This record gives sequence, C-alpha cells and structure tokens, in this order.
Amino acid sequence: GNSVTQMEGPVTLSEEAFLTINCTYTATGYPSLFWYVQYPGEGLQLLLKATKADDKGSNKGFEATYRKETTSFHLEKGSVQVSDSAVYFCALSAGGTSYGKLTFGQGTILTVHP
Amino acid sequence: DGGITQSPKYLFRKEGQNVTLSCEQNLNHDAMYWYRQDPGQGLRLIYYSQIVNDFQKGDIAEGYSVSREKKESFPLTVTSAQKNPTAFYLCATVGSVHRGNWVGNQPQHFGDGTRLSIL
Repeated sequence: GNSVTQMEGPVTLSEEAFLTINCTYTATGYPSLFWYVQYPGEGLQLLLKATKADDKGSNKGFEATYRKETTSFHLEKGSVQVSDSAVYFCALSAGGTSYGKLTFGQGTILTVHP
Repeated sequence: DGGITQSPKYLFRKEGQNVTLSCEQNLNHDAMYWYRQDPGQGLRLIYYSQIVNDFQKGDIAEGYSVSREKKESFPLTVTSAQKNPTAFYLCATVGSVHRGNWVGNQPQHFGDGTRLSIL
C-alpha cells in the first residue's frame, strides 16, 4: 500500500535559521505530492504541491522538489520566522481508482523562537 | 465566501450515545472526505464520497457512518460502536471531476475541524 514517512519531530529553530523537513514515500504508479500546514486549532491548508517527477513546488518561501529516484519530497525554507510555527504534513495522492484520497505522514511540529 | 463549514467546533459524547458531525460546503466540489486526527499519527481516512448518494469506506470506517443526500453536505455519525472516539475530525473536499483535471492532482480543501471528547 501507499505510505508517507516524515522525519521525527518536534523541530525547534531560531528565527532566520534554515529549515529542512524530510519526507519519503512509497506508492505505486506516479503519485502527486503535497505539503500541508496546520496552525493551532485549525484545519489544514495547502502549502505547496508537485504532480510529476522533478517538479518543484514553492510558496511563501518554502520549496520542495519531487524526486522520483529517491522517492522523496523534502520541505525547505531558507529563513524561518516565528509565524512559521505550525504542524507540517507531507501527503500523497496516488493514481488509478484512489480518487484523490490522501495518505498523510505523521506530521512534524515546528517551533520557531525569536 | 466559499468554503467548508464544520460544526460544532467542540462536541461531547456520553457513553452509548451516537453523535453527528456536520460538514457543509459551498465550493460546488464533487468529492468529500472525513479524516480523523490523533496526536502523532497524522490524518487517517474514515469515509469518502465521490458523488451524491455514493460513499466508500476508508481505512478506519468501523464505528462510523455517513450519508451523502446532497452535494453540499456530508455528515459523519460517530456511533456507540466506536470505542475510542476522542479525536479531532476534519472534513475535506476536492474539485469537480467534470473539469477534466484528474482529481488526484487537485489539493483538498479542509474545514476547521470538530474536536470530539467523551464525558
């Protein structure tokens, strides 16, 4: 079956530090890959996505590249802010009859200190 | 404003009681999903519906039931058979299949969730 594995957290950084959150996946076919962000007490918001190999998704200074050879979709940001503190989820949507169902990683809690 | 409305925000269940969580959307999306979120486990799919009057079980459907009588609404009932219902429940939608884009490429839109606790 499909699965997503995220680096274990929580992750604590100082403001302006470099962020990497690792994400690897297992899937049949050619999945689409997503990063979602969740702020306290809220639902999930799409952060970025990539739908085919070598695509780079980017938004709000965050980036992730779809690496089929390493089955990875690591999230990066060059300089984090306190407002980036949230839970980050990597997810995939597989093809065929999955009809858009998402498989999520376990989430990574990010805390950024001033 | 277009969006997904989940209600109530907080819900309490007594032993042996069924409770129903509401999810309403005005995005004109065909597909709707229910997820359960537990600390450290990410989100797990309970049920999903591709079109009106049709729905399928997800990975953890036991103890839950749904209906899809209208395109806009996809209520989730947590029955007394669900022995560990305390969790954060999230409803999501994804866009119309009639636009020609494979639905798996489209991001899901999420409501703000309902937190269910046991009294």
